[in-house]
Amino acid sequence: RKEVEQDPGPFNVPEGATVAFNCTYSNSASQSFFWYRQDCRKEPKLLMSVYSSGNEDGRFTAQLNRASQYISLLIRDSKLSDSATYLCVVTIPRNRDDKIIFGKGTRLHILP
Amino acid sequence: NAGVTQTPKFQVLKTGQSMTLQCAQDMNHEYMSWYRQDPGMGLRLIHYSVGAGITDQGEVPNGYNVSRSTTEDFPLRLLSAAPSQTSVYFCASSQGQGWDTGELFFGEGSRLTVL
Repeated sequence: RKEVEQDPGPFNVPEGATVAFNCTYSNSASQSFFWYRQDCRKEPKLLMSVYSSGNEDGRFTAQLNRASQYISLLIRDSKLSDSATYLCVVTIPRNRDDKIIFGKGTRLHILP
Repeated sequence: NAGVTQTPKFQVLKTGQSMTLQCAQDMNHEYMSWYRQDPGMGLRLIHYSVGAGITDQGEVPNGYNVSRSTTEDFPLRLLSAAPSQTSVYFCASSQGQGWDTGELFFGEGSRLTVL
């Protein structure tokens, strides 16, 4: 089983709709979780961290399910500008540093 | 605020040539890293450093060298370029050793083509 798995998509969603996607991880020692956003031909940028209690930032909600080992990202009232690839990131503690694992990303297309 | 600066943005090499991708950050970050991104493969870690004078191999280190003589700079050297090294390269940094602050800052990327 891969360390971090995401549905590659693309998810084609009409503007204004709600869309959600998950990311599963295999290592139960995983400590920190994040969603990054990457626009076409650009660098990844942090979208939000994912906390155990769940967290919300405007139209975006991130949740962590440690028992089932997945994180989720929900986007409400989607905008054309939300079109991007969303990368799941998981860290695993090691002796000197954390192992940082990127998912391959989920492509999202918001349709006008 | 410059953040993470990579040069060059684009480069075309012939097989066997060597070159260095430059990366500099002005945020006094301890952790720096190099990734390559290929279609369908996602981001793969090449080398990383948790501080000046310390470097470690990532997932795909073969064919690349790094050094970290200062906190600010983390160059990536291709020793003898091969077509398989055609990719987009990203340098990234974060505060502190380890990654406990949660945010990795990326440069804009360097697109390398090896003919």
